[in-house]
Amino acid sequence: EAQVTQNPRYLITVTGKKLTVTCSQNMNHEYMSWYRQDPGLGLRQIYYSMNVEVTDKGDVPEGYKVSRKEKRNFPLILESPSPNQTSLYFCASSSRRGAGETQYFGPGTRLLVL
Amino acid sequence: DAKTTQPTSMDCAEGRAANLPCNHSTISGNEYVYWYRQIHSQGPQYIIHGLKNNETNEMASLIITEDRKSSTLILPHATLRDTAVYYCIVRGANAGGTSYGKLTFGQGTILTVHP
Repeated sequence: EAQVTQNPRYLITVTGKKLTVTCSQNMNHEYMSWYRQDPGLGLRQIYYSMNVEVTDKGDVPEGYKVSRKEKRNFPLILESPSPNQTSLYFCASSSRRGAGETQYFGPGTRLLVL
Repeated sequence: DAKTTQPTSMDCAEGRAANLPCNHSTISGNEYVYWYRQIHSQGPQYIIHGLKNNETNEMASLIITEDRKSSTLILPHATLRDTAVYYCIVRGANAGGTSYGKLTFGQGTILTVHP
């Protein structure tokens, strides 16, 4: 089954404690990205990756890092989490076939930073 | 990417057709109309997309006006499980560089399907 998986699904942590949210897709997609969703602000893109070893900032990259060492994985790293990073996070992937590509989203990771 | 305008909320009776409108008056010639939905805090789910012709798949139909300035998503027989936020998104077919792949989500339409 084609899918995007994220782990963990729920996470409570404390300010400053480094954490990683993993994202993996099994569709051999070139493009992957991270979004965060906050009430009243909708979904906003954090980082994206066009392919292995190619990453770039989205609209709200501050406080986040990513890496793309393998095509299937795109982890989101919070080096020093702060309470304003409490949010619902989604990973997404798509192919680069061009017109009309469909993006597949993961189930989400709900993060609470105390 | 062109901006879209959708009603904040809509209701629909179970078994009836749900017609969700979207205005995108500034759409340009190579921009597609996409529809996604999000069921309570789950990951957004692709529904359908189109350029200028009407489209239909197993989930829904998409009707795009001739001038392409508006469109309607039709769920032909709404069920309770179709209750969700529906997002209409317009973006270029081959948006290169930094805009590739990014979906700009607005506030969407909250569709509530009643028994």
